[in-house]
Amino acid sequence: DTGVSQDPRHKITKRGQNVTFRCDPISEHNRLYWYRQTLGQGPEFLTYFQNEAQLEKSRLLSDRFSAERPKGSFSTLEIQRTEQGDSAMYLCASSIGLAGGAETQYFGPGTRLLVL
Amino acid sequence: DQQVKQNSPSLSVQEGRISILNCDYTNSMFDYFLWYKKYPAEGPTFLISISSIKDKNEDGRFTVFLNKSAKHLSLHIVPSQPGDSAVYFCAAKEVDSWGKLQFGAGTQVVVTP
Repeated sequence: DTGVSQDPRHKITKRGQNVTFRCDPISEHNRLYWYRQTLGQGPEFLTYFQNEAQLEKSRLLSDRFSAERPKGSFSTLEIQRTEQGDSAMYLCASSIGLAGGAETQYFGPGTRLLVL
Repeated sequence: DQQVKQNSPSLSVQEGRISILNCDYTNSMFDYFLWYKKYPAEGPTFLISISSIKDKNEDGRFTVFLNKSAKHLSLHIVPSQPGDSAVYFCAAKEVDSWGKLQFGAGTQVVVTP
C-alpha cells in the first residue's frame, strides 16, 4: 500500500494526558499537512511542512500542540494536557509540491481521538 | 469566517439519476478547487479538481463546473450509483499559496435503489 498511513487509527485518553499521532506520507511527496475534523464540519487546516520545515501553523494550533517532521519523512503530532475539546478526527495529507500549489492532497485514514 | 460553503447538508437521489452538489465561495483569491468524497471512519478521497482558468472538467461519471463570476461550483455525478453514498466536500486553495485547503461543511449524499 503506497498511500498515506496514520497510526493509531483510534485513541481514547483521559483529560490531561499527552498523546502522539504518527503520519507516513506517500514516499515521493515533500509536502505534508495536518487537519482536524469535528462532527458535521469539513477538515480544518492545522499545520504544513515542506520537507522538514514547518512553514505555517493555524491559530487552531494552541501551545499544547506540536508537530515535527524529522528528516522530511514521517511526521508526528503531539497534544499535551489533552482537553475534551480536542476530541476530533486528526487527518494527515501529503502532496508532491508543485509550483503554485495546484496539486492534489491525498489523505490518510485519520486518527480518531476521544478525550474522556 | 467560512469562506467555502455547502448549503445543502444532505441530498437524496435515485440510482441512475443525476446528483448535483453545490458549493459557494467568498474569497476571490481562490484559484484551485477540489471535490473529495468521504466514507465514515475513513479519510477523504480525491475525486476531481478544476483550475480557475477553466469552467468545466470531466472525469468519467464526475463533472465539475466553475462559475467564477458567481463564485459557485457544482459537482455532477451521472449516473448515480449506490456506492456514491458518502459525504462530499468542496475545497479551495488561494492563488500562489503552497496548498492549504479550505473546506466546506460537506453534503451527505444518499443514493436509493
